[in-house]
Amino acid sequence: DTAVSQTPKYLVTQMGNDKSIKCEQNLGHDTMYWYKQDSKKFLKIMFSYNNKELIINETVPNRFSPKSPDKAHLNLHINSLELGDSAVYFCASSQEGGGAFFGQGTRLTVV
Amino acid sequence: GNSVTQMEGPVTLSEEAFLTINCTYTATGYPSLFWYVQYPGEGLQLLLKATKADDKGSNKGFEATYRKETTSFHLEKGSVQVSDSAVYFCALTLRRGADGLTFGKGTHLIIQP
Repeated sequence: DTAVSQTPKYLVTQMGNDKSIKCEQNLGHDTMYWYKQDSKKFLKIMFSYNNKELIINETVPNRFSPKSPDKAHLNLHINSLELGDSAVYFCASSQEGGGAFFGQGTRLTVV
Repeated sequence: GNSVTQMEGPVTLSEEAFLTINCTYTATGYPSLFWYVQYPGEGLQLLLKATKADDKGSNKGFEATYRKETTSFHLEKGSVQVSDSAVYFCALTLRRGADGLTFGKGTHLIIQP
């Protein structure tokens, strides 16, 4: 059983399009996250979300928005995609203060 | 703010060599510390963790000790294998709320047979 699963694994799209990445966790964790990994492998948190609050990294453009239909899912919507959005996006989940479990990543390429 | 500094690679070693990857941190509070490993084309896997000063995390022959006095969490392994080739990330999180992880820039480890 996959603990944190995200789809699609690869996403190629044109500039200006709107796309979504889905994430699901079956660990019963309270908190889910989205991270961005750039071409130099640097990882930066974009959002964290639990039942009580959404914490947004202030450097994230408002074209990015998380949507959580329930505790086990946190999807990422991206509007008006730009070339600079090309990266690998990772979903993760954790209990408070614990280590996070990561999905396999979605490689987004904007052309 | 919080930050993690780790040695940048690539680090190239021969099989069975001793490995050390340095990691130091700054944090407002008392963080939990982690090492993650990323194999090519895959997500991040939690390798080991330590939640308080002097704790030692260990897994698969890797060890790291939480040193509060030097704000360090260096990763060590006594005898590396080719299969250990990967990118290693040091990370911290504060225990409150949904802070998420602050990562170092990663260290690419290459083990040659």
